[in-house]
Amino acid sequence: EVQLVESGGGLVQAGGSLRLSCSASGFTFSSSEINWVRQAPGEGLEWLSCITSSGSIYYTDSVKGRFTISRDNAENSVFLQMNSLTVEDTAVYYCARTTGSYRDHWGQGTLVTVSS
Amino acid sequence: QSVLTQPPSVSAAPGQKVTISCSGSSSIIGNALVSWYQQLPGTAPKLLIYENNKRPSGIPDRFSGSKSGTSATLGITGLQTGDEAEYYCGAWDGPLEAYVFGTGTKVTVL
Repeated sequence: EVQLVESGGGLVQAGGSLRLSCSASGFTFSSSEINWVRQAPGEGLEWLSCITSSGSIYYTDSVKGRFTISRDNAENSVFLQMNSLTVEDTAVYYCARTTGSYRDHWGQGTLVTVSS
Repeated sequence: QSVLTQPPSVSAAPGQKVTISCSGSSSIIGNALVSWYQQLPGTAPKLLIYENNKRPSGIPDRFSGSKSGTSATLGITGLQTGDEAEYYCGAWDGPLEAYVFGTGTKVTVL
């Protein structure tokens, strides 16, 4: 069974940093592309970043220069390092696997709250 | 940033049909494969339709997808109370090298 489990969320002050983790199981992780998607309270889904199996990386404009995605195939994990956080970064953060053109499996999410 | 536009809400009585549109530019919808996701209240999104019109295993055939030009459509027939959720389209924007979600549509069963 494909499973994705996010961790690392919590309360952080504006200007601070946080590192999220996405732990995967049930599939060949090293061959898979993983995404980070967030959802602010009461808002829609916002794609943030993805890292391919070959290590290519893509970001949405709003997080370029502040967020860094990385992966450790030995640990079956993807990470999202978030720096210079603002209150607008408060959201539930999901990781999701890409298959072909679609995001087919999602984690349950981890809540990040940035206080002013 | 590119945007995929959806109606904010649609509603219908149980057993009826609803359709949700997803409109974008030719650089996204026109060239990409569209997916649809269902998000039940308080839960993570779930893949509903992929590659414009295909259903993952376990998704009932009450759900259907189509695409024409720069617009995609999700259809739900035989509406059930359990279908009350937020629905999002999504596609890869090649020129921007970014995945884009639609603005989301809330489905209400009257």
